Amino acid sequence: NAGVTQTPKFRVLKTGQSMTLLCAQDMNHEYMYWYRQDPGMGLRLIHYSVGEGTTAKGEVPDGYNVSRLKKQNFLLGLESAAPSQTSVYFCASSFGSPSNSPLHFGNGTRLTVT
Amino acid sequence: RKEVEQDPGPFNVPEGATVAFNCTYSNSASQSFFWYRQDCRKEPKLLMSVYSSGNEDGRFTAQLNRASQYISLLIRDSKLSDSATYLCVPWAGGFKTIFGAGTRLFVKA
Repeated sequence: NAGVTQTPKFRVLKTGQSMTLLCAQDMNHEYMYWYRQDPGMGLRLIHYSVGEGTTAKGEVPDGYNVSRLKKQNFLLGLESAAPSQTSVYFCASSFGSPSNSPLHFGNGTRLTVT
Repeated sequence: RKEVEQDPGPFNVPEGATVAFNCTYSNSASQSFFWYRQDCRKEPKLLMSVYSSGNEDGRFTAQLNRASQYISLLIRDSKLSDSATYLCVPWAGGFKTIFGAGTRLFVKA
């Protein structure tokens, strides 16, 4: 049982380049999330999805887009990368509402934008 | 005031010690609380959920003080494997789960 899998694990981009981060979960969870984690700060929610075909903005959505075409996958796109997007990105999923369902995180993607 | 405040530490304690962390939150509507642990360069993992006044799981005890808007985590008989960053996570409705920046703990032999 793989749980939540993120690819790639590491990536270096130049300013202006684009990329897509892939998140896949095999737990049949309805809810999926993308967070970023920066030094000295808590995880911040970028976008989330409450089910296949749905997406919603989180706390820091600017510069990112997402898609949830299949229940098990949640993609995070950067159309034009900026140095401010250098961060560690975590995908997570939960069976139900975050009020009582723990978040299961992937291993993270370390992104550097030069 | 930040929505969630934690002492960043680090807390350096010897094996077998008891250590406690506090976490204060600003949203009085917070209903559920979680403690996650995060090992260095790893993903966060759920340690404990708190829905009422507190919770206990083995060596770990969480206590909630709604009047003062803080939640604490107590670790008894610390082990080397407890070395990690502990994240306080209040839930205040919807999908707005706010993560604290975490408290770093180092347990030394």
